[in-house]
Amino acid sequence: DVVMTQSPLSLPVTLGQPASISCRSSQSLVHNDGNTYLDWFQQRPGQSPRRLIYKVSNRDSGVPDRFSGSGSGTDFTLKISRVEAEDVGVYYCMQGTHWPRAFGQGTKVEIK
Amino acid sequence: EVQLVESGGGLVQPGGSLRLSCAASGFTFSKYAMSWVRQAPGKGLEWVSSFSGTTSNTYYADSVKGRFTISRDNSKNTLYLQMNSLRAEDTAVYYCAKEWQFDAFGQGTLVTVSS
Repeated sequence: DVVMTQSPLSLPVTLGQPASISCRSSQSLVHNDGNTYLDWFQQRPGQSPRRLIYKVSNRDSGVPDRFSGSGSGTDFTLKISRVEAEDVGVYYCMQGTHWPRAFGQGTKVEIK
Repeated sequence: EVQLVESGGGLVQPGGSLRLSCAASGFTFSKYAMSWVRQAPGKGLEWVSSFSGTTSNTYYADSVKGRFTISRDNSKNTLYLQMNSLRAEDTAVYYCAKEWQFDAFGQGTLVTVSS
């Protein structure tokens, strides 16, 4: 099974400063169809998860452009260019290339 | 607007059964794969099961294989999860999610397995 490893697991950030979360997979996430199914989700306190980024770098509708995704193969990154108070929560990467689906452990973003 | 509304959660004894439902609206349900994702208290997200939209293919996490059954009724726009032989470690909020890549989640329903 593919294992997803996120770092850091806790990320204190100053408002207005950038933040970066790493996600590494134990196997390549390039699918036979040529796509790389790596997604990022945000879960604010007390809320359901919400997808932010799909297929590595595509922002979902309504997601602010301060969120960006990048990477390839086994190494991926979610960046927030300038953290705002509403960005507090836990962020998960997930691979959708292989069965079983797998999430990372989650990275808790909090304001310093 | 996509809406997913889960129901059927509750308190059940170890070894018991429960059936969860997810009522979908705002999209053509039959065309999309649907999944269940769970979250134990204070823990991360765990994929549970998926059902293809265009075929009858189903997929399960090893932790639930043989105990849980995913199904769907396209005439009712509803996804189900039949959970048998429940264990304490199945205690979690269960979310239904749309599409293979989970582009929408419901609000979740809490399942508590305890004596």
